[in-house]
Amino acid sequence: GAGVSQSPRYKVAKRGQDVALRCDPISGHVSLFWYQQALGQGPEFLTYFQNEAQLDKSGLPSDRFFAERPEGSVSTLKIQRTQQEDSAVYLCASSLALRGASGNTIYFGEGSWLTVV
Amino acid sequence: AQSVTQLDSQVPVFEEAPVELRCNYSSSVSVYLFWYVQYPNQGLQLLLKYLSGSTLVKGINGFEAEFNKSQTSFHLRKPSVHISDTAEYFCAVTNRDNNNDMRFGAGTRLTVKP
Repeated sequence: GAGVSQSPRYKVAKRGQDVALRCDPISGHVSLFWYQQALGQGPEFLTYFQNEAQLDKSGLPSDRFFAERPEGSVSTLKIQRTQQEDSAVYLCASSLALRGASGNTIYFGEGSWLTVV
Repeated sequence: AQSVTQLDSQVPVFEEAPVELRCNYSSSVSVYLFWYVQYPNQGLQLLLKYLSGSTLVKGINGFEAEFNKSQTSFHLRKPSVHISDTAEYFCAVTNRDNNNDMRFGAGTRLTVKP
């Protein structure tokens, strides 16, 4: 597609439920990022993939958060046993360039809005 | 690690007035700087970026920003705003050696009033 696509756009989960958020990056983009954006805050880095390799997961807040990109294209962010503090917008982004490349423009999706009740 | 401070959480302004959204960064290494805009219920859209060269950077929608290394600032400006510029604006920084780790400010809500 023309841009980064995320689904579902909106998700309401009961506390303790597992959720899976999907990201379709721009075709051919090597790098893929996940960010968490709490209400009234800027996005916070969660994790980074270069093709299928997860090179940086330093931002994942707990071991309940898991991300994968098995074929180097579509990625899924999974949150197990959701808690109320997980309520946020989860943004996926992709870029054509490799890690450290100069002038790397990162393109963002519209986000998946997760509300845990 | 690098960080960004956006000094104003909200900026109200009248239509056709000039506006400046302030951003200061902190980093021990050379950086790339970005401004993104987020309209309601949408993702982030790149307005402009500073990589190197001229410190005055022009972006889309009539916005520009100036990189000031001595003041570690990257303020965003527009000489005359429109109602349609009402949105959340985020300043972001990456260090040149690790382009993956993009850090965002908390955002500035620009509200343009008629």
